[in-house]
Amino acid sequence: KAGVTQTPRYLIKTRGQQVTLSCSPISGHRSVSWYQQTPGQGLQFLFEYFSETQRNKGNFPGRFSGRQFSNSRSEMNVSTLELGDSALYLCASRENEKLFFGSGTQLSVL
Amino acid sequence: DQQVKQNSPSLSVQEGRISILNCDYTNSMFDYFLWYKKYPAEGPTFLISISSIKDKNEDGRFTVFLNKSAKHLSLHIVPSQPGDSAVYFCAAFQFSYDKVIFGPGTSLSVIP
Repeated sequence: KAGVTQTPRYLIKTRGQQVTLSCSPISGHRSVSWYQQTPGQGLQFLFEYFSETQRNKGNFPGRFSGRQFSNSRSEMNVSTLELGDSALYLCASRENEKLFFGSGTQLSVL
Repeated sequence: DQQVKQNSPSLSVQEGRISILNCDYTNSMFDYFLWYKKYPAEGPTFLISISSIKDKNEDGRFTVFLNKSAKHLSLHIVPSQPGDSAVYFCAAFQFSYDKVIFGPGTSLSVIP
């Protein structure tokens, strides 16, 4: 089976812009979660989608949003980017207790 | 409210010796505990897990021990290798909440 695929791998944006990140889960997995990791920080949970519905949400402002499509692919959007949004954004698909992560999208906000 | 804690932010170990990474939790209802390994700028990879009904699980150089009465688990790596240098995340899962909760991670450095 192919793993979790995240695109793009790297992204550079300027403050105030918006960005959309994409994630394709492992085939057959219906749950997709998003995490943010900033330098020296752990994995901050953003949200989880299951069958196109947001099931859990972390403590992030409304500028961070997501959606899931009928084929389980997911997108994450950040509007009005701030310098502090520079981070590695990770997507994971889940089967029961196990999460399988993609390689992440490294976002730099200048 | 941090349900999964890793109180050591970093750990240094000589190559060939044992690495012991610790994790504490507060919720006695967790069903599974997992360890993930993460290299910089990459996604975490699953390492090993243990069911709450077990007290030990072993996979090659990696062994996880679970002490339910102390709400504590540990990951042992023997022998440690330089390629083991990474951040290790402890995670816990509860079927009824259907959610994975991560600890803050421990950065392991294995010195050649």
